[in-house]
Amino acid sequence: SSELTQDPAVSVALGQTVRITCQGDSLRSYYASWYQQKPGQAPVLVIYGKNNRPSGIPDRFSGSSSGNTASLTITGAQAEDEADYYCNSRDSSGDHVVFGGGTKLTVL
Amino acid sequence: EVQLLESGGGLVQPGGSLRLSCAASGITFSSHAMSWVRQAPGKGLEWVSAISDTGGSTYYADSVKGRFTISRDNSKNTLYLQMNSLRAEDTAVYYCAKDLGTVTTYYFDYWGQGTLVTVSS
Repeated sequence: SSELTQDPAVSVALGQTVRITCQGDSLRSYYASWYQQKPGQAPVLVIYGKNNRPSGIPDRFSGSSSGNTASLTITGAQAEDEADYYCNSRDSSGDHVVFGGGTKLTVL
Repeated sequence: EVQLLESGGGLVQPGGSLRLSCAASGITFSSHAMSWVRQAPGKGLEWVSAISDTGGSTYYADSVKGRFTISRDNSKNTLYLQMNSLRAEDTAVYYCAKDLGTVTTYYFDYWGQGTLVTVSS
């Protein structure tokens, strides 16, 4: 399968920890990357590879992977973390890219 | 400061053509693979096409293969997407995205603000 599956919506209380997951067969072979997108804005890369954060991304964002599941964890969620989050990875062929359907994160 | 500035979007009739451009600054453009990613109104992200640093390798999503052509001019720091035989389902904001690597890693560390393509009669 070349699909990546994400929960459509997740909520977290302010200051608590939340995990957003991404499932797909290709994740057994390739690491995911994660993007944050706020309304009306372009996506922003927050995690890539095994667990790498681009410059400027807070260290409360972390990534992990096990089997066919990749996870993005936000430890101590802030109000500004409310956004849509997308995972992506190569597909099974290795030449193409597939995105997950996105998870809308609400910070309560 | 890295800037990716897309242009060329607009309203086009079904079956028509458009050429999108993405002008890059603040990066060594010729050292990075590039991609186009689109987002239909209210929908998620969909990868469209990628090109290696030299332009020698190109890749396409099945949904656009045979209709869209990606290219680049490293002397002008510009990425292109020629879109032919456009369909209603191609309506989306089109983003250009810089790859972390010279070859495709598909880790997109910089994105433009996008250009809207509307296919409608």
